[in-house]
Amino acid sequence: DQQVKQNSPSLSVQEGRISILNCDYTNSMFDYFLWYKKYPAEGPTFLISISSIKDKNEDGRFTVFLNKSAKHLSLHIVPSQPGDSAVYFCAASPRNSGYALNFGKGTSLLVTP
Amino acid sequence: GAGVSQSPSNKVTEKGKDVELRCDPISGHTALYWYRQSLGQGLEFLIYFQGNSAPDKSGLPSDRFSAERTGGSVSTLTIQRTQQEDSAVYLCASSGTHQSPLHFGNGTRLTVT
Repeated sequence: DQQVKQNSPSLSVQEGRISILNCDYTNSMFDYFLWYKKYPAEGPTFLISISSIKDKNEDGRFTVFLNKSAKHLSLHIVPSQPGDSAVYFCAASPRNSGYALNFGKGTSLLVTP
Repeated sequence: GAGVSQSPSNKVTEKGKDVELRCDPISGHTALYWYRQSLGQGLEFLIYFQGNSAPDKSGLPSDRFSAERTGGSVSTLTIQRTQQEDSAVYLCASSGTHQSPLHFGNGTRLTVT
């Protein structure tokens, strides 16, 4: 039962443009959301998070937007750089339980020069 | 500082054999997690250790899977009588608290032939 869904397995964006990665969730108990980035043969690395008390969190070129009513979040990368090419995983959990993060299947982003 | 270390990085084993996967978490991290990623899938939670508390084993797929964490540090994931469907990348992660982002190792790629 996939509670976190990333419906786009891949995305290609030109360098300098905006990358938008989307994520949907089904469990209304989720209130803590994270994005992880993964390069081949490496473990995922934490990128940015947001809790349900906010609808936006920004860190440099990365911004995460949360729409609780739609159970949808998105990651915006602007401007996109070739080094951003990686697989991006969306993850969610009920914050009070904290662990057992539920991960999506990932979106492979390719930023072309 | 050292990150999460996993060994071996790759393991090929014959169906029916037992395997042990090792994880060295970041020093001082009290929370340790095991996940696995099968081909084309997201990260699947397996087991969680927090300090001296009883581990949460709710994600272990069968009784062939077990894990230990000795002295609150190193963890070993053991898979007995391996099956081909056990082939996956097994990822270990640690965090300072259960509400902190996870720091992942590079994983062990297990192939069961």
